[in-house]
Amino acid sequence: EAQVTQNPRYLITVTGKKLTVTCSQNMNHEYMSWYRQDPGLGLRQIYYSMNVEVTDKGDVPEGYKVSRKEKRNFPLILESPSPNQTSLYFCATGREGQFYGYTFGSGTRLTVV
Amino acid sequence: ILNVEQSPQSLHVQEGDSTNFTCSFPSSNFYALHWYRWETAKSPEALFVMTLNGDEKKKGRISATLNTKEGYSYLYIKGSQPEDSATYLCAFGGSNYKLTFGKGTLLTVNP
Repeated sequence: EAQVTQNPRYLITVTGKKLTVTCSQNMNHEYMSWYRQDPGLGLRQIYYSMNVEVTDKGDVPEGYKVSRKEKRNFPLILESPSPNQTSLYFCATGREGQFYGYTFGSGTRLTVV
Repeated sequence: ILNVEQSPQSLHVQEGDSTNFTCSFPSSNFYALHWYRWETAKSPEALFVMTLNGDEKKKGRISATLNTKEGYSYLYIKGSQPEDSATYLCAFGGSNYKLTFGKGTLLTVNP
């Protein structure tokens, strides 16, 4: 079954404690991206990757890191989380960038206290 | 940051009504326009991807049109049903390979 697996679904953590949200896809998609969803602000892009070892900043990259060592995985790393990173995060994947619809993961609700 | 505007923000209709909403986007450096349907507590699901001016797409009772010269797209729902209740998102794809989303239109269909 084609899917985008995102973990964890829910996470409560403390300020400054490094964490990683994982995203894995089994569709051989070249394009992967991370978004955050905040009330009244819509989905905002954090980072995206066109292929292995190719990543680029989205609109709100501050405080986040990503890596794309393998085609199927695109983890989102928060080195020192802060309360303003409390949000709902989505991983999305697609073929060849924006010419095909994205498939979204199930989301990660992160709370930083 | 690109400006992708959706209107209205929210909409209440009665079952059986037809409705439409608008997505406005930059008319330059256009590559693609996406529409997604996002139900509460789920993930967004792709409805349409349109790339050519004048494109029209249809899936069941839902259809969309695209005008890249003036920078707008319409989403139409014919004979709305309660299960159509969701947030409808549009997203603009430009030459920089980024997909920028609008804030969405929240549709509620009352039985």
